[in-house]
Amino acid sequence: AQSVTQLGSHVSVSEGALVLLRCNYSSSVPPYLFWYVQYPNQGLQLLLKYTSAATLVKGINGFEAEFKKSETSFHLTKPSAHMSDAAEYFCAVSDHANDMRFGAGTRLTVKP
Amino acid sequence: GAVVSQHPSWVICKSGTSVKIECRSLDFQATTMFWYRQFPKQSLMLMATSNEGSKATYEQGVEKDKFLINHASLTLSTLTVTSAHPEDSSFYICSALFGETQYFGPGTRLLVL
Repeated sequence: AQSVTQLGSHVSVSEGALVLLRCNYSSSVPPYLFWYVQYPNQGLQLLLKYTSAATLVKGINGFEAEFKKSETSFHLTKPSAHMSDAAEYFCAVSDHANDMRFGAGTRLTVKP
Repeated sequence: GAVVSQHPSWVICKSGTSVKIECRSLDFQATTMFWYRQFPKQSLMLMATSNEGSKATYEQGVEKDKFLINHASLTLSTLTVTSAHPEDSSFYICSALFGETQYFGPGTRLLVL
């Protein structure tokens, strides 16, 4: 069975600083990996996904993530944080479409 | 593309009543939809997998007679919370499968008084 660990339940950065949200996965087969963002009282919005194509995946809003098989990681980054990036971020892993597992989430705070 | 809607966005009901939540895929057909529950400041908990034209598959610990799921068409799944009680108050989110990706609805906040 696959699982996801998100290191850090809360990350705080200054506006303009680098954003790094960590995600490590466990999967017995080549995984599909996803990052979703959730704003207060809303559903989840897909930021980006890895499905065994390029290891560096670019998503919406300037985010990107790199799949590193040797480290079983799929960390999310953004070079320069914006106030509007403040939200909850979820990493998810799936070994087939019907079985997606979510991490516990990381709350990103952006300070002015 | 790949837009999913939920209705209602919020509902308040009295204890003992039933509440129906609709999940629609607006611009694609989804043979598989999912229902999640999310408690404050927590991650999503999968309740059940809804398959068009067949019975839903419930996760362990989820009462199928309390949370009735119907997936009668390729664009609509419904979740009915029967005889709701205050402990059923939560944020319910659905998703629809398109390819290998789940696309999520905006969620329904249920408050049972």
